[in-house]
Parts: sequence; structure tokens; C-alpha cells
Amino acid sequence: DAKTTQPNSMESNEEEPVHLPCNHSTISGTDYIHWYRQLPSQGPEYVIHGLTSNVNNRMASLAIAEDRKSSTLILHRATLRDAAVYYCILRISGNTPLVFGKGTRLSVIA
Amino acid sequence: DAMVIQNPRYQVTQFGKPVTLSCSQTLNHNVMYWYQQKSSQAPKLLFHYYDKDFNNEADTPDNFQSRRPNTSFCFLDIRSPGLGDAAMYLCATSSATASGRSYEQYFGPGTRLTVT
Repeated sequence: DAKTTQPNSMESNEEEPVHLPCNHSTISGTDYIHWYRQLPSQGPEYVIHGLTSNVNNRMASLAIAEDRKSSTLILHRATLRDAAVYYCILRISGNTPLVFGKGTRLSVIA
Repeated sequence: DAMVIQNPRYQVTQFGKPVTLSCSQTLNHNVMYWYQQKSSQAPKLLFHYYDKDFNNEADTPDNFQSRRPNTSFCFLDIRSPGLGDAAMYLCATSSATASGRSYEQYFGPGTRLTVT
């Protein structure tokens, strides 16, 4: 599996935007970039995914670099409920399981 | 609401006493997964079923086995739990197609296993 690198932890103030980076320099052309998050004492939940183009949904935006070697998950206004571990995962196809790296622990300060 | 259900949420077993964890889904997804998550670590894939085809990860101990009697249910059996098997066990599902289009995985809330 192609490897991703994320900062161990990040901190944000409430109601400010948060940019969570992910490096994946060995990404292949068929790898999708997935983001999941895990709130305390819960199972991981899907946030967003993309292949080449930037993506938006109700939870977040995903900005993908032109060379696809990095991506950024953008939370437009962080709330206390966004405090979680965020995982950036490369996935060859929908038929392959998610393989989790260490993720970024996001703290949100009121 | 369609969902992934895990029972029980908390399970206590004794060292060496077999234990079974259960997962059910109402999503009608053809793929089901089991992950192990130890404290302060990321989830680690144990195995998954693609329909009835069982796929075991190379480093999953023989002590861990799984059964999927039908689309909706999947079980994780730990034959002889050791202290090191204490963890959160997460079940997940997804819909996989021949085209390989990427779909999200849906996770249950997990079962926290304690071994005494």
C-alpha cells in the first residue's frame, strides 16, 4: 500500500478554518485519496474522498495537489465536535480494505 | 436508519476462554471487515469477506477466526484470548462492485474487549 504522512497532532480555535495536510509522494494513478475521522469512543466515519479534482461535501473540502503527491482536508469552521483523529488513506479501489496510518489528532479550543 | 450494529458494546472474558463478537448490518453491503484497535493506535485490519470469500491478513494470528453465515451477519471468534487481545474490535461494511469504483466503508461503534 502506498504510504501517507500526516502530522501527529494539530490544534485549532473554534469557528476557524482548519487545514489538515497529507503527503503521499508514492501515490499511483489509480489510488483514491480517502479521509476518515474517528471521534472519541466511536468507530471511524467517512469524511470525503477524491481522485484528481478537488471535492466538496457538507462536512469538508478536499484539495488535491496537481501532481497528486499531497492533499489537504479543509474544515471550513471547526467546532468542538470536530475534535477527532483524522486519517488520510490511499485506496486502490472500492474493493480494497482501508489500511489506516497513524492519523492526525485534531484538538479544537473554545 | 440503515446501520452497522455491534453486540455487545463491552465484553469481558477470561484468559483462554473463547469469546465471540457479533456484527450485523442493514445496508445489504457485500463486503464486511473486522479491525482491531488497541489503545492510542490506529485500527488494524484482521480480515474481510468479499461476499462469501474470506480474506485473511498475513499477520492476523491463528487465534482469530471469522464466520459470515449470511450477508447481514459476521462473527469474530477469538479461540483463546490472551491479555494482549484486549482492544476495541470494529466491524465495517462497504459495497464493492466489479468496476472497483471507490465507496466508503461504514463502521460500527465497536466492541471493547477486556481480558481478565
